[in-house]
Amino acid sequence: NAGVTQTPKFRILKIGQSMTLQCTQDMNHNYMYWYRQDPGMGLKLIYYSVGAGITDKGEVPNGYNVSRSTTEDFPLRLELAAPSQTSVYFCASSYGGQGKNIQYFGAGTRLSVL
Amino acid sequence: AQSVAQPEDQVNVAEGNPLTVKCTYSVSGNPYLFWYVQYPNRGLQFLLKYITGDNLVKGSYGFEAEFNKSQTSFHLKKPSALVSDSALYFCAVRDVDSNYQLIWGAGTKLIIKP
Repeated sequence: NAGVTQTPKFRILKIGQSMTLQCTQDMNHNYMYWYRQDPGMGLKLIYYSVGAGITDKGEVPNGYNVSRSTTEDFPLRLELAAPSQTSVYFCASSYGGQGKNIQYFGAGTRLSVL
Repeated sequence: AQSVAQPEDQVNVAEGNPLTVKCTYSVSGNPYLFWYVQYPNRGLQFLLKYITGDNLVKGSYGFEAEFNKSQTSFHLKKPSALVSDSALYFCAVRDVDSNYQLIWGAGTKLIIKP
């Protein structure tokens, strides 16, 4: 059972570079989420999607973009990377939303911007 | 504003002793509350949730949590700690002001000593 798969696991970027963090789930979940986790902080929601073709901003969307062309995939794009984007990024999915459904998480992508 | 607090950065417990990890919340309306656990270099895993019903909620790995409406708390408990329980624990609450997404606490590091 693959669940939620994120790639890459680690990445180092130079300031101003761009990259895409990949996320795919095989549970046929309609909701997907991108979070960032900074040391000593809880998760912060970057973007979420309630289904293919529909995305919405979370608490900290600046500097990021997403797309959801299929149910399975929800890539996160970083344009013009900045040191403030150094973080651990988690993708998650759930069957349904409304804040009452279990979220299933990937193993994370550790990103450093130098 | 809706919020969740985990007042302890770290909790140390001897193996075999009971453990408590604290969580308090502030929300409008009925709270939906969650506990997740994160092992090193892994994504978060769901432990248990309170939506409605019995105030004592049982979850995975022998954990339970008690919903206390008057004290606005949702403390995580286990009667007898194991060394393998050592991990980072997150409390989360549904945010009705942000399309029902979750607000996450900063996390509590639980260390179980043999």
